[in-house]
Amino acid sequence: DVKVTQSSRYLVKRTGEKVFLECVQDMDHENMFWYRQDPGLGLRLIYFSYDVKMKEKGDIPEGYSVSREKKERFSLILESASTNQTSMYLCASSSGQGAQKPQHFGDGTRLSIL
Amino acid sequence: KQEVTQIPAALSVPEGENLVLNCSFTDSAIYNLQWFRQDPGKGLTSLLLIQSSQREQTSGRLNASLDKSSGRSTLYIAASQPGDSATYLCATHRGSTLGRLYFGRGTQLTVWP
Repeated sequence: DVKVTQSSRYLVKRTGEKVFLECVQDMDHENMFWYRQDPGLGLRLIYFSYDVKMKEKGDIPEGYSVSREKKERFSLILESASTNQTSMYLCASSSGQGAQKPQHFGDGTRLSIL
Repeated sequence: KQEVTQIPAALSVPEGENLVLNCSFTDSAIYNLQWFRQDPGKGLTSLLLIQSSQREQTSGRLNASLDKSSGRSTLYIAASQPGDSATYLCATHRGSTLGRLYFGRGTQLTVWP
């Protein structure tokens, strides 16, 4: 089975801190994604990557950056955390070009910014 | 931009009922449509993926259908059980968008004994 592992289930940080959320997948998938999920707003795509060192902005990239130095790891960075970034963050991966394959999700990181 | 809508937003049924969850999308130029399940506080679990060339996919008590021309998909759950209680989301992939998915907001299902 595909395993997508997010480094933390729960995380509490302070306003202004630089925050790193890590995601690792073990199936050699080319594509990786970061979403945030908020009540009433559903899942929103922040960034995605279709290859090492490649990245594409999603719908809400402001205040975030990403890093993909190795194929299996995709990091989401909050440059200067703010309270409106309190949310559930979900990482996903999929194989191949295009969308013939399903996306697989991690268990999520619930991030609170105080 | 693809817009995905799910109706109803919430559904509460007694155990044993057969039920239908609906998903509609605005852009019919999709490669596939995927149904997910999400338990409270957890990530998403992929249930079924229907390719654009298919009409149906089945997994156990779940059956998903796809009608591209009308921009609709349905998830049919047979003989519902309390363990089916969760939020169900559908998501589509458009043509040249490098694998990104567009999600509906989900149907929150409660099956009571």
